[in-house]
Amino acid sequence: RKEVEQDPGPFNVPEGATVAFNCTYSNSASQSFFWYRQDCRKEPKLLMSVYSSGNEDGRFTAQLNRASQYISLLIRDSKLSDSATYLCVPDSGNTPLVFGKGTRLSVIA
Amino acid sequence: DTEVTQTPKHLVMGMTNKKSLKCEQHMGHRAMYWYKQKAKKPPELMFVYSYEKLSINESVPSRFSPECPNSSLLNLHLHALQPEDSALYLCASSAAGLAGGSGEQYFGPGTRLTVT
Repeated sequence: RKEVEQDPGPFNVPEGATVAFNCTYSNSASQSFFWYRQDCRKEPKLLMSVYSSGNEDGRFTAQLNRASQYISLLIRDSKLSDSATYLCVPDSGNTPLVFGKGTRLSVIA
Repeated sequence: DTEVTQTPKHLVMGMTNKKSLKCEQHMGHRAMYWYKQKAKKPPELMFVYSYEKLSINESVPSRFSPECPNSSLLNLHLHALQPEDSALYLCASSAAGLAGGSGEQYFGPGTRLTVT
Protein backbone atom coordinates (compact mmCIF):
# COMPACT_ATOMS: atom_id res chain seq x y z
CA ARG A 1 0.00 0.00 0.00
CA LYS A 2 1.35 3.44 -0.90
CA GLU A 3 2.10 5.78 1.99
CA VAL A 4 -0.48 8.33 0.92
CA GLU A 5 -3.16 7.79 -1.71
CA GLN A 6 -5.49 10.33 -3.20
CA ASP A 7 -7.95 10.13 -6.07
CA PRO A 8 -6.24 12.30 -8.73
CA GLY A 9 -9.54 13.44 -10.23
CA PRO A 10 -10.19 15.73 -11.91
CA PHE A 11 -13.38 16.50 -10.03
CA ASN A 12 -15.42 18.84 -12.23
CA VAL A 13 -18.24 20.41 -10.23
CA PRO A 14 -20.61 23.35 -10.80
CA GLU A 15 -20.44 26.45 -8.64
CA GLY A 16 -22.38 26.00 -5.43
CA ALA A 17 -21.91 22.23 -5.32
CA THR A 18 -20.57 20.26 -2.40
CA VAL A 19 -17.56 18.07 -3.13
CA ALA A 20 -15.52 15.70 -1.00
CA PHE A 21 -12.23 13.93 -1.51
CA ASN A 22 -10.50 11.27 0.53
CA CYS A 23 -6.89 10.65 1.42
CA THR A 24 -5.80 7.25 2.74
CA TYR A 25 -2.56 6.75 4.62
CA SER A 26 -0.59 3.68 5.57
CA ASN A 27 1.38 4.86 8.62
CA SER A 28 -0.86 4.19 11.62
CA ALA A 29 1.52 6.32 13.74
CA SER A 30 0.38 9.47 11.93
CA GLN A 31 -0.92 11.86 14.55
CA SER A 32 -1.70 15.00 12.64
CA PHE A 33 -2.87 15.69 9.13
CA PHE A 34 -2.67 18.64 6.81
CA TRP A 35 -4.46 19.72 3.67
CA TYR A 36 -2.73 22.06 1.26
CA ARG A 37 -4.05 23.66 -1.89
CA GLN A 38 -1.79 24.32 -4.82
CA ASP A 39 -2.69 26.51 -7.75
CA CYS A 40 -1.10 25.90 -11.13
CA ARG A 41 2.58 26.95 -11.14
CA LYS A 42 2.34 28.26 -7.56
CA GLU A 43 3.55 26.99 -4.22
CA PRO A 44 1.40 24.86 -1.90
CA LYS A 45 -0.51 26.85 0.72
CA LEU A 46 -1.64 25.37 4.02
CA LEU A 47 -5.42 25.07 4.01
CA MET A 48 -6.24 23.13 7.14
CA SER A 49 -4.58 21.29 10.03
CA VAL A 50 -6.24 18.33 11.77
CA TYR A 51 -5.00 17.21 15.17
CA SER A 52 -8.03 15.29 16.47
CA SER A 53 -11.13 13.90 14.82
CA GLY A 54 -11.67 16.77 12.45
CA ASN A 55 -11.68 20.48 11.82
CA GLU A 56 -14.01 23.00 10.25
CA ASP A 57 -13.15 26.38 8.77
CA GLY A 58 -15.95 28.14 6.97
CA ARG A 59 -16.92 26.13 3.91
CA PHE A 60 -14.17 23.56 4.50
CA THR A 61 -14.48 20.54 6.79
CA ALA A 62 -11.89 17.84 7.36
CA GLN A 63 -12.90 14.54 8.96
CA LEU A 64 -10.46 11.94 10.25
CA ASN A 65 -11.25 8.23 10.43
CA ARG A 66 -8.36 6.62 12.28
CA ALA A 67 -9.86 3.12 12.19
CA SER A 68 -9.96 3.12 8.39
CA GLN A 69 -6.91 5.38 8.08
CA TYR A 70 -8.34 8.06 5.89
CA ILE A 71 -9.00 11.74 6.08
CA SER A 72 -11.55 13.56 3.97
CA LEU A 73 -11.92 17.15 2.86
CA LEU A 74 -15.42 18.50 2.23
CA ILE A 75 -15.96 21.78 0.41
CA ARG A 76 -19.44 23.28 0.56
CA ASP A 77 -20.84 25.95 -1.77
CA SER A 78 -17.90 25.62 -4.19
CA LYS A 79 -16.51 28.81 -5.69
CA LEU A 80 -14.61 29.23 -8.95
CA SER A 81 -11.61 30.25 -6.83
CA ASP A 82 -11.59 26.80 -5.17
CA SER A 83 -10.24 25.32 -8.41
CA ALA A 84 -6.83 23.93 -7.48
CA THR A 85 -5.02 20.73 -6.58
CA TYR A 86 -5.57 19.59 -2.99
CA LEU A 87 -2.65 17.78 -1.35
CA CYS A 88 -2.85 15.63 1.77
CA VAL A 89 0.07 15.22 4.23
CA PRO A 90 -0.09 12.82 7.18
CA ASP A 91 2.48 13.57 9.86
CA SER A 92 3.83 11.04 12.36
CA GLY A 93 6.22 13.59 13.87
CA ASN A 94 9.42 11.67 13.36
CA THR A 95 9.49 10.34 9.82
CA PRO A 96 10.06 12.26 6.59
CA LEU A 97 6.88 13.77 5.27
CA VAL A 98 5.26 12.41 2.14
CA PHE A 99 2.76 14.48 0.20
CA GLY A 100 -0.11 12.74 -1.53
CA LYS A 101 -0.20 13.12 -5.31
CA GLY A 102 -3.11 15.51 -4.96
CA THR A 103 -6.69 15.72 -6.15
CA ARG A 104 -7.47 18.20 -8.91
CA LEU A 105 -10.68 20.19 -8.53
CA SER A 106 -12.27 22.29 -11.25
CA VAL A 107 -15.27 24.40 -10.30
CA ILE A 108 -17.25 25.37 -13.37
CA ALA A 109 -19.51 28.40 -13.79
CA ASP B 1 4.34 37.83 8.66
CA THR B 2 4.04 34.33 7.22
CA GLU B 3 6.38 34.90 4.33
CA VAL B 4 9.12 32.71 2.98
CA THR B 5 11.14 34.34 0.23
CA GLN B 6 13.21 32.60 -2.42
CA THR B 7 15.68 33.89 -4.97
CA PRO B 8 16.02 33.74 -7.86
CA LYS B 9 12.52 33.17 -9.24
CA HIS B 10 13.89 31.61 -12.41
CA LEU B 11 17.29 30.14 -13.17
CA VAL B 12 18.73 28.67 -16.35
CA MET B 13 22.08 26.96 -15.98
CA GLY B 14 24.37 24.75 -17.99
CA MET B 15 25.51 21.35 -16.81
CA THR B 16 28.96 22.67 -15.90
CA ASN B 17 27.76 25.71 -13.96
CA LYS B 18 27.70 26.25 -10.22
CA LYS B 19 24.78 28.22 -8.81
CA SER B 20 22.97 28.66 -5.51
CA LEU B 21 19.34 28.98 -4.53
CA LYS B 22 18.49 31.08 -1.51
CA CYS B 23 15.63 30.97 0.97
CA GLU B 24 14.84 33.26 3.89
CA GLN B 25 12.20 33.37 6.61
CA HIS B 26 11.80 35.73 9.56
CA MET B 27 9.07 33.89 11.41
CA GLY B 28 11.42 32.37 13.98
CA HIS B 29 10.72 28.92 12.54
CA ARG B 30 13.09 26.19 13.68
CA ALA B 31 12.83 23.83 10.74
CA MET B 32 13.51 24.53 7.07
CA TYR B 33 13.06 22.29 4.05
CA TRP B 34 14.00 21.89 0.41
CA TYR B 35 11.58 20.19 -1.96
CA LYS B 36 11.76 19.37 -5.65
CA GLN B 37 8.58 19.41 -7.68
CA LYS B 38 8.16 18.22 -11.26
CA ALA B 39 5.11 19.09 -13.34
CA LYS B 40 1.89 17.35 -12.26
CA LYS B 41 3.67 15.65 -9.33
CA PRO B 42 3.59 16.41 -5.61
CA PRO B 43 6.55 18.08 -3.88
CA GLU B 44 9.29 15.56 -3.03
CA LEU B 45 11.23 16.16 0.15
CA MET B 46 15.00 16.59 -0.35
CA PHE B 47 16.40 17.94 2.92
CA VAL B 48 15.23 18.96 6.38
CA TYR B 49 17.16 21.25 8.70
CA SER B 50 16.09 21.27 12.32
CA TYR B 51 17.67 23.87 14.60
CA GLU B 52 20.21 24.60 11.85
CA LYS B 53 21.38 20.99 11.70
CA LEU B 54 20.72 18.67 8.76
CA SER B 55 18.29 16.08 10.07
CA ILE B 56 17.06 14.46 6.86
CA ASN B 57 18.72 13.88 3.51
CA GLU B 58 16.40 11.86 1.31
CA SER B 59 19.21 10.19 -0.63
CA VAL B 60 19.72 13.28 -2.72
CA PRO B 61 22.66 13.18 -5.19
CA SER B 62 25.75 15.08 -4.03
CA ARG B 63 25.40 17.56 -6.88
CA PHE B 64 22.83 19.19 -4.56
CA SER B 65 24.45 20.57 -1.42
CA PRO B 66 22.35 22.27 1.25
CA GLU B 67 23.62 24.84 3.72
CA CYS B 68 21.98 26.55 6.68
CA PRO B 69 24.13 29.57 7.63
CA ASN B 70 21.73 30.65 10.37
CA SER B 71 18.19 30.06 11.61
CA SER B 72 16.67 32.37 8.98
CA LEU B 73 18.58 31.33 5.89
CA LEU B 74 18.76 28.19 3.80
CA ASN B 75 20.82 27.73 0.66
CA LEU B 76 20.94 25.00 -1.95
CA HIS B 77 24.21 24.84 -3.87
CA LEU B 78 24.01 23.30 -7.32
CA HIS B 79 26.89 21.84 -9.30
CA ALA B 80 27.12 19.66 -12.40
CA LEU B 81 23.36 19.23 -12.68
CA GLN B 82 21.63 17.13 -15.31
CA PRO B 83 18.72 18.17 -17.55
CA GLU B 84 16.42 15.87 -15.55
CA ASP B 85 17.08 18.08 -12.50
CA SER B 86 14.98 20.78 -14.13
CA ALA B 87 12.07 21.39 -11.77
CA LEU B 88 10.50 23.82 -9.34
CA TYR B 89 12.57 23.96 -6.15
CA LEU B 90 10.52 24.90 -3.13
CA CYS B 91 11.72 26.03 0.26
CA ALA B 92 9.47 25.75 3.30
CA SER B 93 9.68 26.41 7.01
CA SER B 94 7.77 25.28 10.07
CA ALA B 95 7.63 26.43 13.68
CA ALA B 96 8.19 22.97 15.14
CA GLY B 97 11.79 21.86 14.94
CA LEU B 98 11.01 18.16 14.77
CA ALA B 99 13.75 15.96 13.38
CA GLY B 100 11.32 14.51 10.85
CA GLY B 101 9.77 17.83 10.08
CA SER B 102 6.29 19.13 10.71
CA GLY B 103 3.35 18.93 8.37
CA GLU B 104 2.40 22.54 9.11
CA GLN B 105 4.70 24.31 6.68
CA TYR B 106 4.86 27.63 4.92
CA PHE B 107 6.26 27.54 1.41
CA GLY B 108 8.17 30.07 -0.58
CA PRO B 109 7.18 30.78 -4.20
CA GLY B 110 9.91 28.53 -5.52
CA THR B 111 12.74 28.78 -8.01
CA ARG B 112 11.97 27.41 -11.46
CA LEU B 113 15.20 25.78 -12.58
CA THR B 114 16.05 24.78 -16.12
CA VAL B 115 19.25 22.84 -16.77
CA THR B 116 20.45 22.98 -20.37
